[in-house]
Amino acid sequence: GAVVSQHPSWVICKSGTSVKIECRSLDFQATTMFWYRQFPKQSLMLMATSNEGSKATYEQGVEKDKFLINHASLTLSTLTVTSAHPEDSSFYICSARVPGQGIYGYTFGSGTRLTVV
Amino acid sequence: RKEVEQDPGPFNVPEGATVAFNCTYSNSASQSFFWYRQDCRKEPKLLMSVYSSGNEDGRFTAQLNRASQYISLLIRDSKLSDSATYLCVVPRDTGRRALTFGSGTRLQVQP
Repeated sequence: GAVVSQHPSWVICKSGTSVKIECRSLDFQATTMFWYRQFPKQSLMLMATSNEGSKATYEQGVEKDKFLINHASLTLSTLTVTSAHPEDSSFYICSARVPGQGIYGYTFGSGTRLTVV
Repeated sequence: RKEVEQDPGPFNVPEGATVAFNCTYSNSASQSFFWYRQDCRKEPKLLMSVYSSGNEDGRFTAQLNRASQYISLLIRDSKLSDSATYLCVVPRDTGRRALTFGSGTRLQVQP
């Protein structure tokens, strides 16, 4: 089946540094990648939608200058958390729609647990 | 009103029990609905889609009530391995159809 590979699985970084998370579609072309964030005991909240070759669309309240999204190819989307702070510690997960599977074709990366110390 | 609302639980049930979860959604125009399962801080996995006529997959039954805008999931003969968080999910009807997740209902099946 369609697979999205997400790396790293977990990362610990110091406050003020930047962290890049990658999501690759391994056997299909993803024109769109959804980026979610999940805080403890909360649900997945959509942060932004990345579109291949164009600017990402951010949800209200998500700082686009802090969460940089790049979708330069049909198989790679990246999320960079810039100047990370402890409150950015969360579980970040990407998701793509698999072409040809309509509304039933959502696949997820395995997630990245970010801890900012 | 939240777009998708669930009772967070936890539901603590013994093995073999039957348990039901409900979920309400706010957008009356929504057409598609799903139940996902999420194990602790892992990616969510599709459990089943919800059809208007109701559908069953083994021990799991999903039902949709459009008039009241709620979706249910029934688990029969609970297994220890059913312990997880169950997410009610509704695709947006605009844009690229991102998924809107409920906050999840935690199920703990006990021996």
